[in-house]
Amino acid sequence: SQQGEEDPQALSIQEGENATMNCSYKTSINNLQWYRQNSGRGLVHLILIRSNEREKHSGRLRVTLDTSKKSSSLLITASRAADTASYFCATILLSNTGKLIFGQGTTLQVKP
Amino acid sequence: EPEVTQTPSHQVTQMGQEVILRCVPISNHLYFYWYRQILGQKVEFLVSFYNNEISEKSEIFDDQFSVERPDGSNFTLKIRSTKLEDSAMYFCASSEAGRQIGWAKNIQYFGAGTRLSVL
Repeated sequence: SQQGEEDPQALSIQEGENATMNCSYKTSINNLQWYRQNSGRGLVHLILIRSNEREKHSGRLRVTLDTSKKSSSLLITASRAADTASYFCATILLSNTGKLIFGQGTTLQVKP
Repeated sequence: EPEVTQTPSHQVTQMGQEVILRCVPISNHLYFYWYRQILGQKVEFLVSFYNNEISEKSEIFDDQFSVERPDGSNFTLKIRSTKLEDSAMYFCASSEAGRQIGWAKNIQYFGAGTRLSVL
């Protein structure tokens, strides 16, 4: 099993609906981050949540972290067509190294 | 807003050739990274670099790979003898925070990537 697994792998919703993506991990973390990647483009940092935090908000984004379940969720409220992208969770482990370990990602399609 | 820039955006090379991928990290950042993403797969860590030396490298980062910070602004990834399986998108990233203030605050900012096609 791998550090950082997202579900669902693909999600298709209508504009205005909320989108929820989940991420699970195996090893204790320093922080968990969510990134967005538009097709064939670079990774854009969305939000970081530290291991001692349970919830963070940034605009239409809400991230939760449950360290007992080793899971996180990303909620995008009132989705827009421009939110169409792949979303990745990435963790920095407690072993004090700076490398990000990425999940497979969730591909979100928001239909206008 | 400061950003990480990578050149070229697309590099086509013949198998066995050397390639150098270039990156200009954000100017006040101290930690630099290379990642790669094979088409359809997850982003994978290659190497991290701090204080002019490699901090950590993955199993992928074998003797064919090297990194360098030749001056105060550039950060390069060299692949000495490219293989077909090196075809991927290569991302450079940089971060301000690191070991000194704790990895918990480490946000890495990524460039747009270089697509390497090995023929």
